[in-house]
Amino acid sequence: QSALTQPPSASGSPGQSVTISCTGSNSDVGGYNFVSWYQHHPGKAPKVIIYEVSKRPSGVPDRFSGAKSGNTASLTVSGLQAEDEADYYCSSYAGTNNLDLVFGGGTKLTVL
Amino acid sequence: EVQLVQSGAEVKKPGESLRISCKASGHTLNNYWIGWVRQMPGKGLEWIGLIYLRDSDTRYSPPFQGQVTISADESINTAYLQWSSLKASDTAMYYCARLEVVTGIPNYFDPWGQGSLVTVSS
Repeated sequence: QSALTQPPSASGSPGQSVTISCTGSNSDVGGYNFVSWYQHHPGKAPKVIIYEVSKRPSGVPDRFSGAKSGNTASLTVSGLQAEDEADYYCSSYAGTNNLDLVFGGGTKLTVL
Repeated sequence: EVQLVQSGAEVKKPGESLRISCKASGHTLNNYWIGWVRQMPGKGLEWIGLIYLRDSDTRYSPPFQGQVTISADESINTAYLQWSSLKASDTAMYYCARLEVVTGIPNYFDPWGQGSLVTVSS
């Protein structure tokens, strides 16, 4: 399966909102509501911030929100804060008997 | 609260074998899938494969099939990722993570281990 497509970089000033896209196909993002997003600060373990397209795990600020339209999922970070600067990865179920999963290439979010 | 603790950094030569580990603490994991994820230097995350600790049912991402072996020891809540003959291109950070599965469909990884850095160099 091919990796999901994310922009390599995104940026915004503190307090602004930024949206990161994640484009797949009918076989993954578009076919299932099992899209998740991970925040990865260098040197730390990745952390899930969105699952099932738009659900937030306990403890994740509501500044993070997810959505999906067709074959493209998106992550919006509102009210940007310095600590939001990190790499963000989307992931989706890829719909085979092998429990296939696929990740996006990652987006480096810079808080200006 | 489940925590996953991975084995430490390794420096190996091409052709050598290696097994890295991922041990769960805080809760038994025998009814969960554990996944392995690779991050090559400067690159993104890649799913390697999964193992169900209770019965060692194992699934591999196609690019990794035959390149690595995933195994587990349920009695000590530990999953393993191993190579029989390392290549320089295996140099990467490797993460393990628990996979939440909903009605048989993989949902998301949480929590993640801290990562094991594998360096393969002559």
